Amino acid sequence: DAKTTQPNSMESNEEEPVHLPCNHSTISGTDYIHWYRQLPSQGPEYVIHGLTSNVNNRMASLAIAEDRKSSTLILHRATLRDAAVYYCILLFGNAGNMLTFGGGTRLMVKP
Amino acid sequence: GAGVSQSPSNKVTEKGKDVELRCDPISGHTALYWYRQSLGQGLEFLIYFQGNSAPDKSGLPSDRFSAERTGGSVSTLTIQRTQQEDSAVYLCASSLGWGLVGNEQFFGPGTRLTVL
Repeated sequence: DAKTTQPNSMESNEEEPVHLPCNHSTISGTDYIHWYRQLPSQGPEYVIHGLTSNVNNRMASLAIAEDRKSSTLILHRATLRDAAVYYCILLFGNAGNMLTFGGGTRLMVKP
Repeated sequence: GAGVSQSPSNKVTEKGKDVELRCDPISGHTALYWYRQSLGQGLEFLIYFQGNSAPDKSGLPSDRFSAERTGGSVSTLTIQRTQQEDSAVYLCASSLGWGLVGNEQFFGPGTRLTVL
C-alpha cells in the first residue's frame, strides 16, 4: 500500500493560515488523496480529497503537486476549533476503501 | 439530515460477557464500516459492508467478533466473551459507496467499550 508521511505536530496562531504537508512519493495513478481530521474525543471527520487538480471546499483547500508525490492541506484562517489531528491517506479509486490512519499531524492553534 | 448514530454511547461490561453495538448509518448510504480506536492509537478497520455484497471481514481480530447488517441499513457488531484488550472506542462510518464522493465517510460518535 502506498504510504504517507506527515510531521508529528504543527503550531499555528488563530486566524492565520496553516499549511499541513503530506508526502506520498509512492502514490499510484489511481490513488485519491484524502484528508480527515479528528478533534479531541470525537470520531474522524472528512475534510477534503482530490486526485490531480487543486480542490477547494468550505473547510479547506488541497494543493496537489504536479507529480502528485506530495500535497498540502490549507486552512485559510485557523480557529481554535481546528485544533485536531489531521490525517493524509491514499485511497484507491472512488469507493469501498477502509481508512487506515497513521500518526497524522497534531495541529495546535494558539489564541 | 440525521448523521450516523451509534448506541450505546458507553458500555461497561465484565470480562467474558457478550456485547452488541448498534450503528444507524445515513439513509441512502450503501457502504458501512466498523472501526475501533484504542486510546491514543490510530484507526483499526474491522469490517465493511457494501450493498448486498458479502462483507469484507478481513479486519476482524478474532472469531469472537461478528457483524451483520439487516436490510442494508442498521448494523450490529457483536463481541462474544469480551476480553480486556477489547476495550476501545468502536466507530461506525457510512458512505455513499459510489461516485466522486463515494469514499467520503461520515462517522458516528462511537461507542466507548470498557471491559473490566
